[in-house]
Amino acid sequence: KAGVTQTPRYLIKTRGQQVTLSCSPISGHRSVSWYQQTPGQGLQFLFEYFSETQRNKGNFPGRFSGRQFSNSRSEMNVSTLELGDSALYLCASSLTGQGGEKLFFGSGTQLSVL
Amino acid sequence: DQQVKQNSPSLSVQEGRISILNCDYTNSMFDYFLWYKKYPAEGPTFLISISSIKDKNEDGRFTVFLNKSAKHLSLHIVPSQPGDSAVYFCATPSSNTGKLIFGQGTTLQVKP
Repeated sequence: KAGVTQTPRYLIKTRGQQVTLSCSPISGHRSVSWYQQTPGQGLQFLFEYFSETQRNKGNFPGRFSGRQFSNSRSEMNVSTLELGDSALYLCASSLTGQGGEKLFFGSGTQLSVL
Repeated sequence: DQQVKQNSPSLSVQEGRISILNCDYTNSMFDYFLWYKKYPAEGPTFLISISSIKDKNEDGRFTVFLNKSAKHLSLHIVPSQPGDSAVYFCATPSSNTGKLIFGQGTTLQVKP
């Protein structure tokens, strides 16, 4: 079974631009969550999608958005990029996303904002 | 606010010795905790978990201990191997969303 696939692996953008990251979950997994990892901050929850609907959201500004398609693939968009958005963005999938269910992570997209 | 804290950013141990990674938490409704391991350029992978009905869970060289009164859990790796060098995150479900919230991570280096 293929794991969680994230593309691209690396991105370099400049301030003010926007970016779209892609995530393909494990086949059969319907819940997709996004996390941001920065040094010293651990993994911070961005949002979760289930059946094409955003089900949960973390404490991030509205510049961070996402969507999920009928095949469970998900995209995350960040508009008006800021230097502080430089981070590793991780996507994780699970069967249902219910309370504490084990997550399977992709390798992440390393975003650098210059 | 519910929090999970790993107060040691890094730990270095000699191969064959014990590694102990610590995690403190506040306001856990689920009393269910997980440890994830992350190598560079890879996503985190699930390592071991523990729920409140137990105070210890063992899987090979990895043992997690839960002290509910102290709101503290620890991961023991015995014996430590160079391949264990990675970043370790503890996590617990959020009381609000049920989604996993993670600690800041501890970077373990096991020296040959």
